[in-house]
Amino acid sequence: AQSVTQPDIHITVSEGASLELRCNYSYGATPYLFWYVQSPGQGLQLLLKYFSGDTLVQGIKGFEAEFKRSQSSFNLRKPSVHWSDAAEYFCAVGSGNTPLVFGKGTRLSVIA
Amino acid sequence: DAGVIQSPRHEVTEMGQEVTLRCKPISGHDYLFWYRQTMMRGLELLIYFNNNVPIDDSGMPEDRFSAKMPNASFSTLKIQPSEPRDSAVYFCASSWTGYNQPQHFGDGTRLSIL
Repeated sequence: AQSVTQPDIHITVSEGASLELRCNYSYGATPYLFWYVQSPGQGLQLLLKYFSGDTLVQGIKGFEAEFKRSQSSFNLRKPSVHWSDAAEYFCAVGSGNTPLVFGKGTRLSVIA
Repeated sequence: DAGVIQSPRHEVTEMGQEVTLRCKPISGHDYLFWYRQTMMRGLELLIYFNNNVPIDDSGMPEDRFSAKMPNASFSTLKIQPSEPRDSAVYFCASSWTGYNQPQHFGDGTRLSIL
């Protein structure tokens, strides 16, 4: 069965600094990979997804993620963080046969 | 386009009472998922439907929980009787055919059982 690990429970970055959120997955075949963001009091919103092809995928709000098969990773990045990016971020992995499995999330705080 | 609509947004009730959460998926989506989110356990998949048919309810914690999808545009999650440990945020999500399709989430129902 597939699984997702987000090693960082909470990350704090300064506004304008770069960001990288880590995600590691376990799955035998090529997975479908997703990043979602959850703002307080709201549901999860899709940031980006990877199915195949170019391993660097662009998403909304200036986010990107890179699929690295050799490292079983799908890390989320943003070159310059804005205060409005403060939220909870979830990585998820899926296959063709089962629903998505979500990581436990990484809470991002942004300081001035 | 209207997203996934959940009601109520907040529910506060006393233990032992019946609680019904409602969800309207995005039109045309044929998968519907119910999740529970807590600080301790994170996001848990409770049950999901395909074309109104329950496919996997192994995540439903107890017999006190039940879910129905009488038609393609409506689903309910019911807890009877409710207990304080059921307090959580409950999300509904829907997607197009295929587990590789992204899920679209509602804004959730924050449930507090006193």
